[in-house]
Parts: sequence; C-alpha cells; structure tokens
Amino acid sequence: SAVISQKPSRDICQRGTSLTIQCQVDSQVTMMFWYRQQPGQSLTLIATANQGSEATYESGFVIDKFPISRPNLTFSTLTVSNMSPEDSSIYLCSVAQTRSPVEQYFGPGTRLTVT
Amino acid sequence: QKEVEQNSGPLSVPEGAIASLNCTYSDRGSQSFFWYRQYSGKSPELIMFIYSNGDKEDGRFTAQLNKASQYVSLLIRDSQPSDSATYLCASILTGGGNKLTFGTGTQLKVEL
Repeated sequence: SAVISQKPSRDICQRGTSLTIQCQVDSQVTMMFWYRQQPGQSLTLIATANQGSEATYESGFVIDKFPISRPNLTFSTLTVSNMSPEDSSIYLCSVAQTRSPVEQYFGPGTRLTVT
Repeated sequence: QKEVEQNSGPLSVPEGAIASLNCTYSDRGSQSFFWYRQYSGKSPELIMFIYSNGDKEDGRFTAQLNKASQYVSLLIRDSQPSDSATYLCASILTGGGNKLTFGTGTQLKVEL
C-alpha cells in the first residue's frame, strides 16, 4: 500500500490563527479524504479532496473554515482557519484507489492543540 | 439512531482466548464493511473488509457479515496482548459514494 506522510505531526497554536496541514503520498492515488478525530471520539469525515476542483464538504464543515487544496494526485493540504480551542483534534488524511470495495489507508495524523 | 454502532467496551479477554467484536448498522443498503485497528496515539490501520454474507478469514482474524440481521463482527483468535487496541467498524452507506462512516469503536484489552 502507499506510504502516506503528514506535516506537521503536531502543533500548538493560538486561537485566531490558521494552520495548514500537508498530506503527501508516495504514489498517485485516485481519492484523498480529510478526517477529524476529537479526543476520545471516532473519526468524522470533513471533506473529500478533489484533484483540480473544489473539495466536497460534509454537513457541518465549510470551505471558509477548512479550505482544502489538491493540486495533483499525490498531495493535498487542509487549512484550519481562525482556530478556537474546539478545533483541538487529530486531523488525518486518507487515500484510496478506485476499486470495489474502496479501501482507505490513513496517514499518521496531525495532533493540533489550540490554546 | 447512529448509522454504525459499537459497544465502547472495554472488552477484556485473557491471552489466548477468542475476542469477539460486534457492530450493527442501520442502513440496510450498506454494501461494504471495514474493520480498522487503532493503537493509542496512532492512526487507524485497515485489518480487513467484507461485503458478502458469511465469513472471511485472514490469519487470526475472521470477519462475519449478516445482512439480514444487519451486523458485522470481528473475531480474533489466540488473542495476544499486542491486540490490545480500539477496533473501529466502518461502512459505506447507500448513496455514500466512497465515504466511510465509522462507529465509535470498541476498546479491547487482552490480559496476561
């Protein structure tokens, strides 16, 4: 399976600032997704990152708060904007190829703490 | 009603025993089901998937799917302390494209 890396692995940020998280894959993948995992909780899908077009956001997540880019088939970024302590979470990217069923593989995650 | 439900546990089993993890789902049209293992502080790791009724075996792991009763289970034979983790059940809902919907996970503890 693909090797997925994320940067940064962790960060502590002040409220009101923004952080951009990078997800890099060592091979081309069809699909990339961004998830959030709040402390002690399961995973919630934020959006599907679409190559060359706007991301598809899930209910409760908006582009102004979580802008996403995907310039090619191996790279994507998620920005957490105007952060508040409620944004403290682990952010994970996942990748998949187009096949049935779709198997998603996760990156190591970015642990974000907002103070 | 949550779309994918799991007992949060913890489920404690002695080393060498069979651990049985269960998951129920509400969307009768769900087609594919996935089991992920997540160690504390780590990201989820795909163990196996199943989409046909019946059993699917992979090493010490067996996934079972019963679409009529809308449940999925994961059996871990010869449980080891290294199996201690949170196990997440996920499904692709009808009309959900390729999106995974996760349960809340079951914490498994394998005791010496």
